[in-house]
Amino acid sequence: DVQLVESGGGLVQPGKSLRLSCAASGFTFRTSWMHWVRQAPGKGLVWVSRINTDGNYGSYADSVRGRFTISRDNAKNTLYLQMDRLRADDTAVYYCARDLTGSRDHWGQGTLVTVSS
Amino acid sequence: QSALTQPASVSESPGQSITISCTGTSSDFATYNYVSWYQQHPGKAPKLLIYDVSNRPSGVSNRFSGSKSGSTASLTISGLQAEDEADYYCSSYRSSGTYVFGTGTKVTVL
Repeated sequence: DVQLVESGGGLVQPGKSLRLSCAASGFTFRTSWMHWVRQAPGKGLVWVSRINTDGNYGSYADSVRGRFTISRDNAKNTLYLQMDRLRADDTAVYYCARDLTGSRDHWGQGTLVTVSS
Repeated sequence: QSALTQPASVSESPGQSITISCTGTSSDFATYNYVSWYQQHPGKAPKLLIYDVSNRPSGVSNRFSGSKSGSTASLTISGLQAEDEADYYCSSYRSSGTYVFGTGTKVTVL
């Protein structure tokens, strides 16, 4: 079975950094594009970023471009999201998801990031 | 990056059908068929219902169907059941490798 397990969330002060991880299993990770999606408390889903199979191309939502960096380690079957210069409006549950022709067919359980002083 | 527009809520009785609309710009839906729909129950991760406008992943009930016309995509749920009460989101590929979700629709089964 496909499994995606996020980790690395927590409470962080504005302006600081945090790195999220997503451990993948049950499928051939190195051949799958991957996404990050977030959801602020009580709000809707927001697409954050996507990375290709080799890890050499990432795309970003306008709201995070220049502050967040998506990456992957295919040897470790792990996806990452480096989040710098965090702001209060980055507070959300962050999900990793596997790509299926532009959709997201499997999702992790999410990890909560709270940005507050 | 403005979100796709969905009705905030839809309510209907069990056994009936509902259709949720998802409106974007002509560029959102005209060029690509990367429209997908997701169901999310409270406190749970989203679940893929429809991809590539009208395809259902294995295991998804055929009561769920998708379509697209012009700048609007639609999700139809037929034979509404209590377990269908959830939030529903559309999503589309936008351009340059970016994607967008809809504003979300809360479905209530009366």
